[in-house]
Amino acid sequence: EPEVTQTPSHQVTQMGQEVILRCVPISNHLYFYWYRQILGQKVEFLVSFYNNEISEKSEIFDDQFSVERPDGSNFTLKIRSTKLEDSAMYFCASSEEIVAIGELFFGEGSRLTVL
Amino acid sequence: GNSVTQMEGPVTLSEEAFLTINCTYTATGYPSLFWYVQYPGEGLQLLLKATKADDKGSNKGFEATYRKETTSFHLEKGSVQVSDSAVYFCALPRGSTLGRLYFGRGTQLTVWP
Repeated sequence: EPEVTQTPSHQVTQMGQEVILRCVPISNHLYFYWYRQILGQKVEFLVSFYNNEISEKSEIFDDQFSVERPDGSNFTLKIRSTKLEDSAMYFCASSEEIVAIGELFFGEGSRLTVL
Repeated sequence: GNSVTQMEGPVTLSEEAFLTINCTYTATGYPSLFWYVQYPGEGLQLLLKATKADDKGSNKGFEATYRKETTSFHLEKGSVQVSDSAVYFCALPRGSTLGRLYFGRGTQLTVWP
C-alpha cells in the first residue's frame, strides 16, 4: 500500500541551527501539507502546497519556515533558525483531492528536539 | 472559522466495553467531518468520514453520525478490543480554505484485556 515516508524520524539540534525535514508523498498525490504536534497539544496545520506553490499557511508558519518540492518526489520543510518552541512532532501529509472531499495520508512524523 | 470540541481523555475501558467519544462542531454550512486515529508510534490515519448531514461513517466497527440538529459527530464502537488503544481525533476543514484541517485535542483510549 502506498505511504508517505518521512526522514529523519528524530532529530536533535541546537537552538539557532537550521533543520530540514524531508517527506516523500504518495506518488500520484497533488496536494502536500505539513502539520505539527507539540507534545500533549493539538495537531496544528502549518502549510499546504499545490502546483509548486504555497496555497495556504497558518500564523505559525512565519519567515523562519519554508517549504520546497526540489524534485518530483520530495517535499521538504526548512526551519532556518530553530527555537526551543519549535520542538514538536512534524507530520507530512498528502492528498489526491481537496481535503473537503478526500482524505489526508500522513507520514509517521519527524520528532524535532531543540536544545 | 470552523472548529471542533472533543471530549477530554484519557478513556480507559475493558475489552468488549462500549465506547463513545464525543465531538461537537461549529461550522459555516455543512463541511465534511472526520475521525482520525493515531496508533502508538505511527502517524494519523483516517478512520472514517461523513460528507453531509445525516450521513453515517463507519470503519473497523466504529461509527459516527453527522447530526446537524445537535452539531455532533460522536464516535462509537459496540465492543472495543485491546488493539483499539490509540489517540482519536475529530477534525473538519477550517473554513473554505483547501487542505487545512482543524483537529480536536485528541482522546487517548486505553483498552485493557
